[in-house]
Amino acid sequence: GENVEQHPSTLSVQEGDSAVIKCTYSDSASNYFPWYKQELGKGPQLIIDIRSNVGEKKDQRIAVTLNKTAKHFSLHITETQPEDSAVYFCAALTGGFKTIFGAGTRLFVKA
Amino acid sequence: EPEVTQTPSHQVTQMGQEVILRCVPISNHLYFYWYRQILGQKVEFLVSFYNNEISEKSEIFDDQFSVERPDGSNFTLKIRSTKLEDSAMYFCASSAAGVYEQYFGPGTRLTVT
Repeated sequence: GENVEQHPSTLSVQEGDSAVIKCTYSDSASNYFPWYKQELGKGPQLIIDIRSNVGEKKDQRIAVTLNKTAKHFSLHITETQPEDSAVYFCAALTGGFKTIFGAGTRLFVKA
Repeated sequence: EPEVTQTPSHQVTQMGQEVILRCVPISNHLYFYWYRQILGQKVEFLVSFYNNEISEKSEIFDDQFSVERPDGSNFTLKIRSTKLEDSAMYFCASSAAGVYEQYFGPGTRLTVT
C-alpha cells in the first residue's frame, strides 16, 4: 500500500545551523507534498508544500525540494532558531483525498 | 485568522461506550477530514468527506466509525463502541474547494478506560 518513509527520527542542531529532513514515497501517482510542524499539545500546522510539477519551493528560511524520478522530497530549514524546535511531518497526497504521513522528525535546536 | 475548532479537548470514556467528537471547520471550506494520532506515532488518515458523502476512507475507518455534517457548521466523528485501542488524539481538518492545503484543528484527546 501507500507509504511515506521519513528520516531522521531525531535531529539535533545548534542554533544558526541548517536542518534537513528527508522523505520518500511509494505511490508514483502522489501529486502534492505538504510539510507540517507540530508543537506539543497542538495540531499539525502546514508550513510549506510542493506540487508534483515543481522541483523546488522556498519561503524565507524554509525550502522544499522534490525529485519525482527518485520519489524523494526534502525539507531544508536554514538559520535555525530555538522556536523551530518541534516535530516535523512530511506527507503525500495519494489519490484524491488521502494524505499519508511520515513517522515524524523531532527537531531540537540548541541555543 | 479563521481556524478549525474541536470539542471537547479531552474525552474520557469507558470501553464499549459511544463517543461523538465535534469539529467546526473553517467556514468557506467544503472538504473535511478526520485523522488520528496514537501517542508518539504518526498521524493516520481516517476519512474524507465532501458534499455530504464520504469521499475516501482508510482501513482503520471500519463499521464502528461514522461521520456526519448535521448542520451547516459542525462535522462530527462517532465511534459506536469504543475499544482501548481507540485511545488517541483525533484531529479534524478542512480544505477549500480547488486547493490541496488542509488546516488542522487542535485535536481531541480520547482516552478509553
